Amino acid sequence: DAGVTQSPTHLIKTRGQQVTLRCSPKSGHDTVSWYQQALGQGPQFIFQYYEEEERQRGNFPDRFSGHQFPNYSSELNVNALLLGDSALYLCASSVQGTGQPQHFGDGTRLSIL
Amino acid sequence: QKEVEQNSGPLSVPEGAIASLNCTYSDRGSQSFFWYRQYSGKSPELIMFIYSNGDKEDGRFTAQLNKASQYVSLLIRDSQPSDSATYLCAVRRGYQKVTFGTGTKLQVIP
Repeated sequence: DAGVTQSPTHLIKTRGQQVTLRCSPKSGHDTVSWYQQALGQGPQFIFQYYEEEERQRGNFPDRFSGHQFPNYSSELNVNALLLGDSALYLCASSVQGTGQPQHFGDGTRLSIL
Repeated sequence: QKEVEQNSGPLSVPEGAIASLNCTYSDRGSQSFFWYRQYSGKSPELIMFIYSNGDKEDGRFTAQLNKASQYVSLLIRDSQPSDSATYLCAVRRGYQKVTFGTGTKLQVIP
Protein backbone atom coordinates (compact mmCIF):
# COMPACT_ATOMS: atom_id res chain seq x y z
CA ASP A 1 0.00 0.00 0.00
CA ALA A 2 1.79 3.09 -1.27
CA GLY A 3 1.92 6.05 1.02
CA VAL A 4 1.98 9.69 -0.05
CA THR A 5 4.54 10.24 -2.79
CA GLN A 6 6.01 13.57 -3.83
CA SER A 7 8.24 14.60 -6.69
CA PRO A 8 10.80 15.84 -7.21
CA THR A 9 12.80 15.30 -4.01
CA HIS A 10 14.97 18.35 -4.50
CA LEU A 11 14.74 21.32 -6.80
CA ILE A 12 16.92 24.36 -7.38
CA LYS A 13 15.48 27.43 -9.08
CA THR A 14 16.39 31.07 -9.48
CA ARG A 15 14.38 34.12 -8.53
CA GLY A 16 11.53 34.90 -10.88
CA GLN A 17 11.18 31.36 -12.19
CA GLN A 18 8.14 29.15 -11.85
CA VAL A 19 7.98 25.69 -10.28
CA THR A 20 5.54 22.78 -10.18
CA LEU A 21 5.57 20.20 -7.41
CA ARG A 22 3.61 16.97 -7.57
CA CYS A 23 1.86 14.74 -5.04
CA SER A 24 0.10 11.41 -5.18
CA PRO A 25 -2.05 10.72 -2.11
CA LYS A 26 -2.11 7.56 -0.08
CA SER A 27 -4.35 4.89 -1.56
CA GLY A 28 -7.95 5.48 -0.51
CA HIS A 29 -7.40 9.16 0.32
CA ASP A 30 -9.28 11.85 -1.60
CA THR A 31 -8.06 15.09 -0.04
CA VAL A 32 -4.68 16.73 -0.48
CA SER A 33 -3.24 19.55 1.60
CA TRP A 34 -0.03 21.43 0.90
CA TYR A 35 2.27 22.94 3.51
CA GLN A 36 5.38 25.08 3.44
CA GLN A 37 7.98 24.47 6.13
CA ALA A 38 10.81 26.96 6.48
CA LEU A 39 13.91 25.95 8.42
CA GLY A 40 13.23 25.84 12.14
CA GLN A 41 9.51 26.46 11.73
CA GLY A 42 6.42 24.32 11.80
CA PRO A 43 4.56 23.53 8.59
CA GLN A 44 2.38 26.40 7.35
CA PHE A 45 -0.87 25.53 5.60
CA ILE A 46 -1.02 26.67 1.97
CA PHE A 47 -4.27 25.15 0.69
CA GLN A 48 -6.38 22.02 0.51
CA TYR A 49 -7.96 20.32 -2.49
CA TYR A 50 -10.95 18.04 -2.54
CA GLU A 51 -13.08 17.02 -5.52
CA GLU A 52 -10.71 18.97 -7.76
CA GLU A 53 -11.50 22.25 -6.05
CA GLU A 54 -9.56 24.42 -3.62
CA ARG A 55 -11.54 24.14 -0.39
CA GLN A 56 -9.43 26.09 2.08
CA ARG A 57 -6.53 28.45 1.78
CA GLY A 58 -3.93 29.72 4.21
CA ASN A 59 -2.27 33.11 4.23
CA PHE A 60 -0.29 32.73 1.02
CA PRO A 61 -0.26 35.05 -2.01
CA ASP A 62 -1.89 34.04 -5.25
CA ARG A 63 1.56 33.26 -6.66
CA PHE A 64 0.80 29.92 -5.03
CA SER A 65 -1.76 27.94 -6.95
CA GLY A 66 -2.74 24.34 -7.24
CA HIS A 67 -4.71 21.72 -8.99
CA GLN A 68 -6.21 18.35 -8.20
CA PHE A 69 -6.79 15.72 -10.84
CA PRO A 70 -9.59 13.13 -11.09
CA ASN A 71 -7.24 10.47 -9.69
CA TYR A 72 -6.82 12.69 -6.58
CA SER A 73 -3.20 13.56 -7.31
CA SER A 74 -2.29 17.20 -6.98
CA GLU A 75 0.14 19.86 -8.14
CA LEU A 76 1.43 22.95 -6.39
CA ASN A 77 2.56 25.78 -8.65
CA VAL A 78 4.57 28.75 -7.49
CA ASN A 79 5.18 31.69 -9.85
CA ALA A 80 7.69 34.52 -9.66
CA LEU A 81 9.83 32.71 -7.13
CA LEU A 82 11.36 34.72 -4.29
CA LEU A 83 14.32 33.85 -2.11
CA GLY A 84 11.86 33.47 0.77
CA ASP A 85 10.11 30.63 -1.03
CA SER A 86 13.06 28.39 -0.19
CA ALA A 87 11.57 25.71 2.06
CA LEU A 88 10.45 22.13 2.39
CA TYR A 89 7.09 21.69 0.68
CA LEU A 90 4.98 18.99 2.19
CA CYS A 91 1.94 17.25 0.81
CA ALA A 92 -0.48 15.53 3.17
CA SER A 93 -3.43 13.35 2.25
CA SER A 94 -6.54 12.35 4.14
CA VAL A 95 -10.11 11.19 3.67
CA GLN A 96 -12.60 14.05 3.61
CA GLY A 97 -15.12 14.16 6.41
CA THR A 98 -13.59 11.46 8.58
CA GLY A 99 -11.57 13.63 10.95
CA GLN A 100 -8.73 11.16 10.69
CA PRO A 101 -5.14 12.42 10.75
CA GLN A 102 -3.27 13.44 7.65
CA HIS A 103 -0.36 11.42 6.32
CA PHE A 104 2.63 13.29 4.95
CA GLY A 105 4.85 12.60 1.99
CA ASP A 106 8.62 12.95 2.18
CA GLY A 107 8.48 16.49 0.85
CA THR A 108 10.20 18.49 -1.85
CA ARG A 109 13.17 20.62 -0.84
CA LEU A 110 13.03 23.81 -2.93
CA SER A 111 16.05 26.09 -2.99
CA ILE A 112 15.92 29.50 -4.63
CA LEU A 113 19.20 31.09 -5.72
CA GLN B 1 -0.78 35.24 20.37
CA LYS B 2 0.29 32.27 18.30
CA GLU B 3 -2.42 29.77 17.47
CA VAL B 4 -0.30 26.84 18.70
CA GLU B 5 2.58 27.42 21.07
CA GLN B 6 5.40 25.11 21.97
CA ASN B 7 8.68 25.62 23.76
CA SER B 8 11.34 25.31 21.07
CA GLY B 9 13.78 23.58 23.43
CA PRO B 10 16.03 21.80 23.26
CA LEU B 11 14.62 19.56 25.95
CA SER B 12 17.37 17.25 27.15
CA VAL B 13 16.55 14.06 29.05
CA PRO B 14 18.73 11.07 29.97
CA GLU B 15 18.10 7.73 28.33
CA GLY B 16 15.38 5.82 30.14
CA ALA B 17 13.73 8.92 31.60
CA ILE B 18 10.29 10.34 30.84
CA ALA B 19 10.19 13.19 28.34
CA SER B 20 7.31 15.62 28.73
CA LEU B 21 6.40 17.83 25.79
CA ASN B 22 3.79 20.55 26.12
CA CYS B 23 1.60 22.56 23.81
CA THR B 24 -1.05 25.25 24.24
CA TYR B 25 -3.55 26.45 21.67
CA SER B 26 -5.70 29.53 21.33
CA ASP B 27 -8.80 28.32 19.44
CA ARG B 28 -11.32 26.98 21.95
CA GLY B 29 -13.20 25.36 19.09
CA SER B 30 -10.30 23.02 18.30
CA GLN B 31 -11.46 19.44 18.28
CA SER B 32 -8.58 17.30 17.05
CA PHE B 33 -5.04 17.25 18.38
CA PHE B 34 -2.01 15.59 16.86
CA TRP B 35 1.60 14.94 17.70
CA TYR B 36 4.08 14.47 14.89
CA ARG B 37 7.74 13.51 15.13
CA GLN B 38 10.13 15.02 12.63
CA TYR B 39 13.73 13.96 12.21
CA SER B 40 16.10 16.51 10.73
CA GLY B 41 15.58 16.84 6.99
CA LYS B 42 12.63 14.44 7.01
CA SER B 43 8.86 14.89 6.85
CA PRO B 44 6.56 14.76 9.90
CA GLU B 45 5.47 11.32 11.08
CA LEU B 46 2.24 10.91 13.04
CA ILE B 47 2.86 9.67 16.60
CA MET B 48 -0.43 10.19 18.40
CA PHE B 49 -3.81 11.82 17.98
CA ILE B 50 -6.44 12.58 20.59
CA TYR B 51 -9.94 13.98 20.40
CA SER B 52 -11.32 13.72 23.95
CA ASN B 53 -10.22 15.09 27.30
CA GLY B 54 -8.00 12.76 29.27
CA ASP B 55 -5.16 10.42 28.43
CA LYS B 56 -4.54 8.20 25.44
CA GLU B 57 -1.73 5.66 25.57
CA ASP B 58 0.06 3.88 22.74
CA GLY B 59 3.14 1.92 23.71
CA ARG B 60 5.68 4.28 25.25
CA PHE B 61 3.66 7.35 24.24
CA THR B 62 0.83 9.02 26.15
CA ALA B 63 -1.08 12.02 24.88
CA GLN B 64 -2.93 14.14 27.41
CA LEU B 65 -5.64 16.67 26.56
CA ASN B 66 -7.24 19.32 28.75
CA LYS B 67 -9.64 21.39 26.65
CA ALA B 68 -10.61 23.66 29.54
CA SER B 69 -6.98 24.72 29.90
CA GLN B 70 -6.36 24.55 26.13
CA TYR B 71 -3.41 22.32 26.80
CA VAL B 72 -2.14 19.14 25.20
CA SER B 73 0.95 17.19 26.12
CA LEU B 74 2.96 14.18 25.01
CA LEU B 75 4.79 11.91 27.43
CA ILE B 76 7.48 9.56 26.19
CA ARG B 77 8.41 6.86 28.68
CA ASP B 78 11.75 5.05 28.69
CA SER B 79 13.19 7.63 26.29
CA GLN B 80 15.68 6.28 23.76
CA PRO B 81 18.35 8.10 21.75
CA SER B 82 16.28 7.27 18.65
CA ASP B 83 13.52 9.47 20.09
CA SER B 84 15.75 12.51 19.55
CA ALA B 85 13.82 14.62 17.06
CA THR B 86 11.56 17.64 16.83
CA TYR B 87 8.01 17.05 18.04
CA LEU B 88 5.28 19.05 16.38
CA CYS B 89 1.95 19.73 18.03
CA ALA B 90 -0.96 20.31 15.65
CA VAL B 91 -4.62 21.21 16.16
CA ARG B 92 -7.72 21.26 13.97
CA ARG B 93 -11.24 22.63 14.31
CA GLY B 94 -13.73 20.29 12.65
CA TYR B 95 -12.48 19.52 9.17
CA GLN B 96 -10.65 22.80 8.84
CA LYS B 97 -6.96 23.28 8.20
CA VAL B 98 -4.43 21.76 10.56
CA THR B 99 -2.36 24.36 12.42
CA PHE B 100 1.10 23.43 13.63
CA GLY B 101 3.31 24.74 16.36
CA THR B 102 6.97 25.44 15.73
CA GLY B 103 8.01 22.22 17.43
CA THR B 104 10.06 21.19 20.45
CA LYS B 105 13.48 19.69 19.90
CA LEU B 106 14.06 16.67 22.12
CA GLN B 107 17.54 15.35 22.86
CA VAL B 108 17.87 12.00 24.64
CA ILE B 109 21.31 11.68 26.16
CA PRO B 110 22.77 8.13 26.27
